[in-house]
Amino acid sequence: GAVVSQHPSWVICKSGTSVKIECRSLDFQATTMFWYRQFPKQSLMLMATSNEGSKATYEQGVEKDKFLINHASLTLSTLTVTSAHPEDSSFYICSARARQGYDYGYTFGSGTRLTVV
Amino acid sequence: DAKTTQPPSMDCAEGRAANLPCNHSTISGNEYVYWYRQIHSQGPQYIIHGLKNNETNEMASLIITEDRKSSTLILPHATLRDTAVYYCIVRHYAGGTSYGKLTFGQGTILTVHP
Repeated sequence: GAVVSQHPSWVICKSGTSVKIECRSLDFQATTMFWYRQFPKQSLMLMATSNEGSKATYEQGVEKDKFLINHASLTLSTLTVTSAHPEDSSFYICSARARQGYDYGYTFGSGTRLTVV
Repeated sequence: DAKTTQPPSMDCAEGRAANLPCNHSTISGNEYVYWYRQIHSQGPQYIIHGLKNNETNEMASLIITEDRKSSTLILPHATLRDTAVYYCIVRHYAGGTSYGKLTFGQGTILTVHP
């Protein structure tokens, strides 16, 4: 089955620094990847949709200059949290869409726990 | 995409069937019903999806009403490892302008008791 690898699984960084999170589709090509953020006891909130070779589409209220998304290949998308602050501490999850027959399946990574101190 | 309504929490005894309802009364003809679950501190896991026919796989069964305004996810023999948040999501077919994104609601916290 489709597997999505997300790395790192957890990271601690100092306030003001940048952190990069990688999302890889291991056994399929993902033309579209999605990035979510989840705060404690809340549901997943979609941040952006990234299509290979084009600029990401950000959801309303998400700062595109703070959350940089790159989807340079069909198997890799990265999310960089720039100038991180404690309020950016959250669980970040990526998802990749793969074609299955006439429809698409969605596979999620295991998530990255970001703590900004 | 159509909005879904789920009970915030449910309990189930281990070994019994867990029936999780979902209301999607504004669903349109080309929208699929997806079910995912999320175990604490992990990414969501796909369970099942369907359009209008009932579906079954190794994990669960999905029963969709004839008018498609509601559905029920059935875990036939719940185990302690099925304790998780279950999300019912409705989305357009892949060709929709929303790029087929999945929008999560609050889900149902299912707790399976020994």
